[in-house]
Amino acid sequence: EPEVTQTPSHQVTQMGQEVILRCVPISNHLYFYWYRQILGQKVEFLVSFYNNEISEKSEIFDDQFSVERPDGSNFTLKIRSTKLEDSAMYFCASTRGRPSIAGELFFGEGSRLTVL
Amino acid sequence: AQTVTQSQPEMSVQEAETVTLSCTYDTSESDYYLFWYKQPPSRQMILVIRQEAYKQQNATENRFSVNFQKAAKSFSLKISDSQLGDAAMYFCALTGTASKLTFGTGTRLQVTL
Repeated sequence: EPEVTQTPSHQVTQMGQEVILRCVPISNHLYFYWYRQILGQKVEFLVSFYNNEISEKSEIFDDQFSVERPDGSNFTLKIRSTKLEDSAMYFCASTRGRPSIAGELFFGEGSRLTVL
Repeated sequence: AQTVTQSQPEMSVQEAETVTLSCTYDTSESDYYLFWYKQPPSRQMILVIRQEAYKQQNATENRFSVNFQKAAKSFSLKISDSQLGDAAMYFCALTGTASKLTFGTGTRLQVTL
């Protein structure tokens, strides 16, 4: 069964360093997402991506964050200069269409980011 | 703005018993969709059940069913005949015409023998 895969599973970085989290969505999906979950808190929407551009982003997704789909298969989240508060589990998700139509988001297992 | 509230941080149920997880929500949209996602210890969230707001009939998937009260903006999940494999974090989520899901804070379900 196709699934969303994420790498790395865990990354430890120093404050101020750049981090790239990678995701391979399900191949025939068109909408891609990043969510994050700070330990013990709710899952928060960061950004959605469709047709090679950002379709929606949250207030969290500031200039320090960027996404791209460099080669038609990978979907990456870059944090330019990490802060302590960026420590969280980051989930990638994909779907064939809007969740209201496609029915569900398919999530990866997450990448845990620890900023020291 | 959309909000989803799960007021039960943790719940416990004995194997074979029934448990209900609560969820309330708020949205200004008339057309929206509600979901329950399960996040087992392996961390990958999977869809449990989905409800279209325009449908009056409550969704059911095997041992999982919902009680959708549109006027009260309530969307609870009932798990019947609970199994050890049901132990997980359960998230209620909402989407409207936008492409994103809005999640609640989750309820951790423990299943005991």
